[in-house]
Amino acid sequence: QTVVTQEPSLTVSPGGTVTLTCASSTGAVTSGHYPNWFQQKPGQTPRALIYNTANKHSWTPARFSGSLLGGKAALTLSGVQPEDEAEYYCLLYYGGARVFGGGTKVTVL
Amino acid sequence: QVQLVESGGGVVQPGRSLRLSCAVSGFTFSYYGMHWVRQAPGKGLEWVAVISDDGNTKYSADSVKGRFTISRDNSKNTLYLQMDSLRAEDTAVYYCAKKVGMGEATIGLDYWGQGTLVTVSS
Repeated sequence: QTVVTQEPSLTVSPGGTVTLTCASSTGAVTSGHYPNWFQQKPGQTPRALIYNTANKHSWTPARFSGSLLGGKAALTLSGVQPEDEAEYYCLLYYGGARVFGGGTKVTVL
Repeated sequence: QVQLVESGGGVVQPGRSLRLSCAVSGFTFSYYGMHWVRQAPGKGLEWVAVISDDGNTKYSADSVKGRFTISRDNSKNTLYLQMDSLRAEDTAVYYCAKKVGMGEATIGLDYWGQGTLVTVSS
């Protein structure tokens, strides 16, 4: 069974930068896993942020960026705002099936 | 604007069946693949199933394989999830979501519905 692993929690100061990662139990994450990133705030529906590793949706703030980093997918938040406090999930593609990571809770403090 | 509205959730006994629907508007439904994603209370997101734009290709998570069936009716702009042999661990909010972009070059989800709660309990 494929497992996708994210940091359980990260803390960042307002205006700071934080990088979340997404690892696959099958090996290095590549562009062929088409990494997606989602943000979910308490009581809200998930919101898509990034698809195909680094592509932003029309509503994605410029401070969010996606990349591949050291064999993992990565989501970097630059110039963090208080409203960025949320749970973040990655999603990887495995030739048909998809698997979500367990989520990273980002606290802005 | 794009809208996805799920329905059909409720309380059901273990072993019984339930069918969820997702009515969409604001885009050409027949052009896009569609997904179901669920979230158990207080837990993370779990991908459930995907169906291609023409309904001919389907994939599902191992946890639901053989019990859940994804389907669609492009004439009704509606996505379905038939859930059989339900278990307590299937209790979750079920979301439908639209595939981002057309074709095979883009993989992912963009628009999501508000979700419908399924509770499996005796």
